[in-house]
Amino acid sequence: DTAVSQTPKYLVTQMGNDKSIKCEQNLGHDTMYWYKQDSKKFLKIMFSYNNKELIINETVPNRFSPKSPDKAHLNLHINSLELGDSAVYFCASSPADGGTAEAFFGSGTQLSVL
Amino acid sequence: AQKVTQAQTEISVVEKEDVTLDCVYETRDTTYYLFWYKQPPSGELVFLIRRNSFDEQNEISGRYSWNFQKSTSSFNFTITASQVVDSAVYFCALRNYGQNFVFGPGTRLSVLP
Repeated sequence: DTAVSQTPKYLVTQMGNDKSIKCEQNLGHDTMYWYKQDSKKFLKIMFSYNNKELIINETVPNRFSPKSPDKAHLNLHINSLELGDSAVYFCASSPADGGTAEAFFGSGTQLSVL
Repeated sequence: AQKVTQAQTEISVVEKEDVTLDCVYETRDTTYYLFWYKQPPSGELVFLIRRNSFDEQNEISGRYSWNFQKSTSSFNFTITASQVVDSAVYFCALRNYGQNFVFGPGTRLSVLP
């Protein structure tokens, strides 16, 4: 079974559309993340979320919003997509242990905005 | 503030050569954790190793070895006898206690046959 799964793997859409990327983890972790990887491979945190707290990177436009129906899921909604949103988006999870454990990553969603 | 620097943008080696990937980090915390991840051409991020700030013991695991030196804030990664399958982008990451992972810009390693 895949530990962190995200769908879809590829997403091609037009500017101005609204889209969602789903993420599920079966590791029992308390903390989940969304990272954005740009064309130069830079990985930047967008959100982290546990049962109690959502931490938002202040550089993330408010068109992006995480939705967590339960501890195992953290979906990413994007409104009014722009060309600059094209990137690979990674979901990840880790135990709520403060830092000792590694993060487990999904396989990524390549978003292309035309 | 946390910061991770990987000064080597790209490295090319010929198969069977040894290669060291450099990582320098900045943090004001005394408790922190360091990681190396590999991203092969297929795109997934694969965890390789973690170290906490209290464990400076270096380790060898097969063809991989790690050199953690707090005095120079470095956490370097060496592949011995490189193979074509080692070709990937390698990321060093830092995590202060209770905070998010901060990744370096990555080093693209190409191992040529």
